[in-house]
Amino acid sequence: ETGVTQTPRHLVMGMTNKKSLKCEQHLGHNAMYWYKQSAKKPLELMFVYSLEERVENNSVPSRFSPECPNSSHLFLHLHTLQPEDSALYLCASSQETFDYEQYFGPGTRLTVT
Amino acid sequence: QKEVEQNSGPLSVPEGAIASLNCTYSDRVSQSFFWYRQYSGKSPELIMSIYSNGDKEDGRFTAQLNKASQYVSLLIRDSQPSDSATYLCAALEYGNKLVFGAGTILRVKS
Repeated sequence: ETGVTQTPRHLVMGMTNKKSLKCEQHLGHNAMYWYKQSAKKPLELMFVYSLEERVENNSVPSRFSPECPNSSHLFLHLHTLQPEDSALYLCASSQETFDYEQYFGPGTRLTVT
Repeated sequence: QKEVEQNSGPLSVPEGAIASLNCTYSDRVSQSFFWYRQYSGKSPELIMSIYSNGDKEDGRFTAQLNKASQYVSLLIRDSQPSDSATYLCAALEYGNKLVFGAGTILRVKS
């Protein structure tokens, strides 16, 4: 595997379900990010981790819970989501926090029914 | 004013022409700028970064940064149908958060 990978690529879940999104980077980077991309809206930064420590939480509802067990893996745990949470969820990584070019994974297309 | 603004387009150019994509930014962002290309249904792909005033060329792509006028541009020479995508401009906000514009749709017609 190379670059940034994400699983699953597509996810349909009900409002009462609990699911997790997984991201893995194979670039040796120290920073990882979760972004949300909704139709016709700019990318929205959700969470930032630097060396497994959360450095940014961009006023995201508590129904989204991130986890970074090591510098290569990032999870986004989802529970009791709303239909408006349907979007493309993108993981990215960079060498250091923010001041370097960010590389994106393929994304998870989430649909909440 | 939003930190980063782009015309949503679509911008239509004929194959072989120069496509010019523009982005303006506010005082709330620093001088580090990035252009990403996003094909429909795919994730953004970094194509250019520019940090200093002036031009930066990479193959058919040229990024231009004008600090005095607070805009950054991406020129695509010899446009190909495969260049058809949404182009996202991004900038580092003071406080070190990367902020994105909404993107400009480019259509290259053969």
